[in-house]
Amino acid sequence: DAGVIQSPRHEVTEMGQEVTLRCKPISGHNSLFWYRQTMMRGLELLIYFNNNVPIDDSGMPEDRFSAKMPNASFSTLKIQPSEPRDSAVYFCASSPQSGPAYEQYFGPGTRLTVT
Amino acid sequence: AQSVTQPDIHITVSEGASLELRCNYSYGATPYLFWYVQSPGQGLQLLLKYFSGDTLVQGIKGFEAEFKRSQSSFNLRKPSVHWSDAAEYFCAVGANNAGNMLTFGGGTRLMVKP
Repeated sequence: DAGVIQSPRHEVTEMGQEVTLRCKPISGHNSLFWYRQTMMRGLELLIYFNNNVPIDDSGMPEDRFSAKMPNASFSTLKIQPSEPRDSAVYFCASSPQSGPAYEQYFGPGTRLTVT
Repeated sequence: AQSVTQPDIHITVSEGASLELRCNYSYGATPYLFWYVQSPGQGLQLLLKYFSGDTLVQGIKGFEAEFKRSQSSFNLRKPSVHWSDAAEYFCAVGANNAGNMLTFGGGTRLMVKP
């Protein structure tokens, strides 16, 4: 299995631009998670989906952030407009089933720099 | 709501020395506990997990962890550290009332001296 795939691996953009991060979960996994990691705030859960449906988006910082999962094999996290404080590493993770007992498998992350 | 505390932000050990990373959690019922490792520039990888049963769990790369309910702890141990163990380690807790969500600790960065 290829594992969780994220693209791009690195993104540098200017403030005010739209940024789209992409994730392909492991085939057959039902749950998908988006996290943000910064030095100041550590690892934060932004949103998670079960069976393509958003379950909890309370971690999404503000309306500039949106996430979609149009099908079981693809998800996007969009920031519009981007700001320098959005600079972070964004991780996507997937899990085989819903429930706390199931391991989350993390992708390699997208390092976003907003100048 | 559950929470996780990793009291040590940085730890440095000599290669070959033993290691213990501390993790304390807060949750009213029996938690689901995890340790993940993150190497530089990589995503997180599961080392081990505890749900029930034997309170001493074995994981990959020679790591083990012990669940102590009385101390609300789930400390990670390794008898002899290798230079390749240098990484950041995260403890996480899940709960039945939280769906798939995990709450992560702040992480402990391990450095290994030659």
